Amino acid sequence: NAGVTQTPKFRVLKTGQSMTLLCAQDMNHEYMYWYRQDPGMGLRLIHYSVGEGTTAKGEVPDGYNVSRLKKQNFLLGLESAAPSQTSVYFCASSYISGATLSTEAFFGQGTRLTVV
Amino acid sequence: AQSVTQPDIHITVSEGASLELRCNYSYGATPYLFWYVQSPGQGLQLLLKYFSGDTLVQGIKGFEAEFKRSQSSFNLRKPSVHWSDAAEYFCAVGAFSGAGSYQLTFGKGTKLSVIP
Repeated sequence: NAGVTQTPKFRVLKTGQSMTLLCAQDMNHEYMYWYRQDPGMGLRLIHYSVGEGTTAKGEVPDGYNVSRLKKQNFLLGLESAAPSQTSVYFCASSYISGATLSTEAFFGQGTRLTVV
Repeated sequence: AQSVTQPDIHITVSEGASLELRCNYSYGATPYLFWYVQSPGQGLQLLLKYFSGDTLVQGIKGFEAEFKRSQSSFNLRKPSVHWSDAAEYFCAVGAFSGAGSYQLTFGKGTKLSVIP
């Protein structure tokens, strides 16, 4: 049972380069999220999606774009990487149980991105 | 919008001592509350969650947390800490927005060190 899988796990980019981070979940969850984690800042929400074909901005969306063309995948794009985007990126997915309103988020193992 | 405050950036305890990590949240209604743990270089693992019912919730690894509405708090406790509990702990609040979307907001984390 894979859960949430992030690709790649590590990447070094030069300033101005572009890249896409892939998140895949096999739990049929409606909600998916991209966070960045920086020392002393906790996890900050970049973008999120409440379903296939929908995306919304989180707390720190500038410099990032996302797409959710398939329910199981959530892509995070950096069009022109900057050193300030050096961070660890986490993807998560969650469900909302209609009957109990129970919910829980499941996280990937993270992508460590360095922009030089 | 919801917010989470973890007042303690770093806590050091001796192995076998009791532990309490503080978490205060801000949200207009009853929120979903979570505690996650992150070991170095790893993703986030859910320790426990609260969304209704008994205000004292039990989690994995011997942790528990108590929801106190009057204090807007959800403090994490463990009666006897083990060296393997050394990690970073994150409190999070989940809430629905007016548009029906669901967001998970994290505190900045508390790093726990354990002295043998």
